[in-house]
Amino acid sequence: GAVVSQHPSRVICKSGTSVKIECRSLDFQATTMFWYRQFPKKSLMLMATSNEGSKATYEQGVEKDKFLINHASLTLSTLTVTSAHPEDSSFYICSAQGGGTGSYEQYFGPGTRLTVT
Amino acid sequence: GQNIDQPTEMTATEGAIVQINCTYQTSGFNGLFWYQQHAGEAPTFLSYNVLDGLEEKGRFSSFLSRSKGYSYLLLKELQMKDSASYLCAVRDTNDYKLSFGAGTTVTVRA
Repeated sequence: GAVVSQHPSRVICKSGTSVKIECRSLDFQATTMFWYRQFPKKSLMLMATSNEGSKATYEQGVEKDKFLINHASLTLSTLTVTSAHPEDSSFYICSAQGGGTGSYEQYFGPGTRLTVT
Repeated sequence: GQNIDQPTEMTATEGAIVQINCTYQTSGFNGLFWYQQHAGEAPTFLSYNVLDGLEEKGRFSSFLSRSKGYSYLLLKELQMKDSASYLCAVRDTNDYKLSFGAGTTVTVRA
């Protein structure tokens, strides 16, 4: 099946710094990637949709200047949390679509646990 | 908007059967997904329904009724490793966005 990786898996940063999270589709080309955020014992909240070569589409209430998304190639999308604050601490998950057994399926990365101190 | 409801928690015994219901009211519908998520891990795909009826895949089956806005995930012959959160997600009509329910935590006891 299709494999999606995320790096890093865990990161701890100080308040005010920026953190970059990478999402890669390892064995297929992802025309679309999605970024989600998940709080403990809560469901996934879609933050933005990223299409290769174009600007990301952000969901209502998500600050695009705070969560910078770049989808530079068909296998890589990055999410940068700028000027991180403790309330940004969360589990960030990406998914990729466009390959595998059907274009309708989203393949999820293993997630990145961000802790802002 | 999207409104997807599923029970918060369910408990069952090893070897038993558990049915997780999901009801949805969405502005569009282009398929319903079930995912399994273990604590601290990303969701893994279990099933996909776009037409009415039952889809069976080993110990897991998923049912959909579009007219009723209703789906269920049936887990048979429960094993301890099935203890996880199960997420119901609906895909929108015009794009490929998924809207997720809050998830149902299933605890399997010996």
